[in-house]
Amino acid sequence: LAKTTQPISMDSYEGQEVNITCSHNNIATNDYITWYQQFPSQGPRFIIQGYKTKVTNEVASLFIPADRKSSTLSLPRVSLSDTAVYYCLVGGLIKAAGNKLTFGGGTRVLVKP
Amino acid sequence: EPEVTQTPSHQVTQMGQEVILRCVPISNHLYFYWYRQILGQKVEFLVSFYNNEISEKSEIFDDQFSVERPDGSNFTLKIRSTKLEDSAMYFCASRGDPSTNIREKLFFGSGTQLSVL
Repeated sequence: LAKTTQPISMDSYEGQEVNITCSHNNIATNDYITWYQQFPSQGPRFIIQGYKTKVTNEVASLFIPADRKSSTLSLPRVSLSDTAVYYCLVGGLIKAAGNKLTFGGGTRVLVKP
Repeated sequence: EPEVTQTPSHQVTQMGQEVILRCVPISNHLYFYWYRQILGQKVEFLVSFYNNEISEKSEIFDDQFSVERPDGSNFTLKIRSTKLEDSAMYFCASRGDPSTNIREKLFFGSGTQLSVL
């Protein structure tokens, strides 16, 4: 599994855009990039997934450059409730036995009023 | 959105006792997982389960741990002879049909906070 590197923490203010970059230099051809969000005392929650270029959903955007060695999660106009830990994960195609997800340390985002 | 349900939300036990943590995965899911998170630390993989058998386990998942899917809906984690260091939040997760477009999308429960005294 490709190892990921993210900043440990980031501070932001309400209404700002937050961009979290994840490095995954050893990403394999069949690996997807997935981001999860975790609030205190809750399980991680899927945010977004992509393979290349840009993916956007109602919650976030994911930017992946052509070499795929990094990715950037963009949270538009954050609110206090976006304060959480954000995890970048890289994993391959699902095999019959099912791939485990390996979580790194994540990025602790604190949104201030 | 469908949910993974875990019970109890909190479990307090004495060191050396056995505990069973219970999970009801999403009904049409095929792959089941247990993760744990010690306070302030990262989420750690314990075990994955598919087709009524363990498909992968971590070095944490030693003989003290076991998993079972006793019926069509429940998925349990048993910890025998609990130790102080077993105190953590335990998360159950499930995943569905691999032919869907979203790979690696796990649905996590809200966790069981286990405190070993």
